[in-house]
Amino acid sequence: RKEVEQDPGPFNVPEGATVAFNCTYSNSASQSFFWYRQDCRKEPKLLMSVYSSGNEDGRFTAQLNRASQYISLLIRDSKLSDSATYLCVVNIRGNKLVFGAGTILRVKS
Amino acid sequence: DADVTQTPRNRITKTGKRIMLECSQTKGHDRMYWYRQDPGLGLQLIYYSFDVKDINKGEISDGYSVSRQAQAKFSLSLESAIPNQTALYFCATSDLGRYTFGSGTRLTVV
Repeated sequence: RKEVEQDPGPFNVPEGATVAFNCTYSNSASQSFFWYRQDCRKEPKLLMSVYSSGNEDGRFTAQLNRASQYISLLIRDSKLSDSATYLCVVNIRGNKLVFGAGTILRVKS
Repeated sequence: DADVTQTPRNRITKTGKRIMLECSQTKGHDRMYWYRQDPGLGLQLIYYSFDVKDINKGEISDGYSVSRQAQAKFSLSLESAIPNQTALYFCATSDLGRYTFGSGTRLTVV
């Protein structure tokens, strides 16, 4: 079983739609959680950290469910520029980041 | 200037050749990493270093070596390149779990 699993997609959505991605992790010792965004052939960039109480940054909302060992990312009012691959990232014991393979989002006009 | 700079950006090399990928950072972070990315797979950790005297193997270190020449510099070598090392390679630094990546090196081994 992979340590971090994501639905690879692609998720094809129209502009203005709300879309949600989930990610599950297997190691209960995981300490911190992040969503990164990666554009085609570019480097991953931090989108947002994920906090236990859930957190929001503009149109983006991240949630963590430690009991079920999953995190989620909700994007409201999707823009064309949101098209990218979204990587779920888990930090295990402070020393090791484990990346999911990513979920592809395509927003279409 | 970019916070994390990788050179070269693209490289084609022949099987059996030794090649070095270089990485430098201006963020002043102690922690540096080398990852490779293959289509459909997550980033896989090759080596990481928490300071100049600390080098650690990651998940897929076989066939690779690294050198931490200074706090700001961390290079990755392929001692004898093989075709399945064709991939996109990223260098990264981190602080408090937040990573900054270089723009990547696209390596093709023919």
